[in-house]
Order: sequence, then structure tokens, then C-alpha cells
Amino acid sequence: AQSVTQLDSQVPVFEEAPVELRCNYSSSVSVYLFWYVQYPNQGLQLLLKYLSGSTLVESINGFEAEFNKSQTSFHLRKPSVHISDTAEYFCAVTSSGSARQLTFGSGTQLTVLP
Amino acid sequence: DVKVTQSSRYLVKRTGEKVFLECVQDMDHENMFWYRQDPGLGLRLIYFSYDVKMKEKGDIPEGYSVSREKKERFSLILESASTNQTSMYLCASSLLAGRHGYTFGSGTRLTVV
Repeated sequence: AQSVTQLDSQVPVFEEAPVELRCNYSSSVSVYLFWYVQYPNQGLQLLLKYLSGSTLVESINGFEAEFNKSQTSFHLRKPSVHISDTAEYFCAVTSSGSARQLTFGSGTQLTVLP
Repeated sequence: DVKVTQSSRYLVKRTGEKVFLECVQDMDHENMFWYRQDPGLGLRLIYFSYDVKMKEKGDIPEGYSVSREKKERFSLILESASTNQTSMYLCASSLLAGRHGYTFGSGTRLTVV
């Protein structure tokens, strides 16, 4: 069985400041990792994913996440946030192989302040 | 792009009513899922389906049922709506293996009064 822990439920940050949203997972097998973003009153959208290869993955809007196998982490970072980044962010994991389900973390609300 | 369409964005129903939430995907995905989302509780899996006419209970199936008569459509049914089923309901679909992740619908915010 897998589990995902998002260590912070709320992260307030000022505009143009850097941000890190933390995600740790637990799994006995190799994994695929995902970050999803949810804007108010919308569904979740895939932000980025790690399947294999380079441990640093990037999204089109400036976010990046680094897969750290030894620390079982997949933290999400952005060097300079905008007001429009205000949203809830979910980390998710699945086992690499034939698994069909994702296990989601409880979410982190990022609020960017002017 | 894969599209997952939920029939209603906002819905208000009365206690005791039978409620149908519809979800349709247009990319021939095998897997479909229903979640509810409540503040502080994250996403909770209600039911899922890996094939037509197949359904499996998730973590919180009580008070709900589902139907998957066609591959593209996965319906969530509240047999007798109650106020504690007021929530955001999210449908998702995915290809066979988890590596593709999920595609979510826009959600249905259901209020039971």
C-alpha cells in the first residue's frame, strides 16, 4: 500500500517570493509521482509528473519538482509566485507497473498575497 | 485533449430525493472514478470502475451507487440524498495504467437542503 503526506495544509506567501510545497510518499515499490492543481470551483488539472529519467521535472508555468528517492520526497517549487498561482495543490503517487489507481495527499492551499 | 464532462456544475436537491450525477469522457478510457471533496478531508474515493458493467467500492461507498452501462459514461447515484452528502463531487478517468495519471471533470457542487 502507498501513502502520501503533504506536510503543510496552508502556505501563505507574498507575490514574487519563492515557495516550496512539500510532499513525502511511502511505498515498497517503484513509483510514479504527480502534482495536480485545483483553482477555485474547478476540477484538478495535471501540473507535472515524474515517471522515470531525470529527477527534476518542470511544468509550463514555472513550477518544478524534484524526485528524491532516498528521502521519498517530491517537493514542488517555484522561484517567484504570482497572484494567479493561488490554488490548492495535490500530490499523488501510484506504483510503476500495472497499478490503475492514484493515492492522493490531503492537499496544500497556496495563497499568494499582494 | 481528453475531456471529462460532468453534467452539472451546481445542483440543489431536497433531502430524500434520488440524485443522478453524470460523467462522460471522450477518449476511450478504461478506468473511471468518483470522488467527493470536503474542506480538510481532501479527496475521498467513492466508487471506481475498470470496465463496462464493472464497479468497485472505494473508501466511502455508503449511501451511493454507480452505473457504467457504456464505456464512456459513469453515473453516480445518491439513492436518498441527505444533508451530509452536500459536497463537491469530482469524476476522473484514466488509461489502463497509472502512469498516465487522471483527467478530472470540472466538478459538481451539490447542496442538499
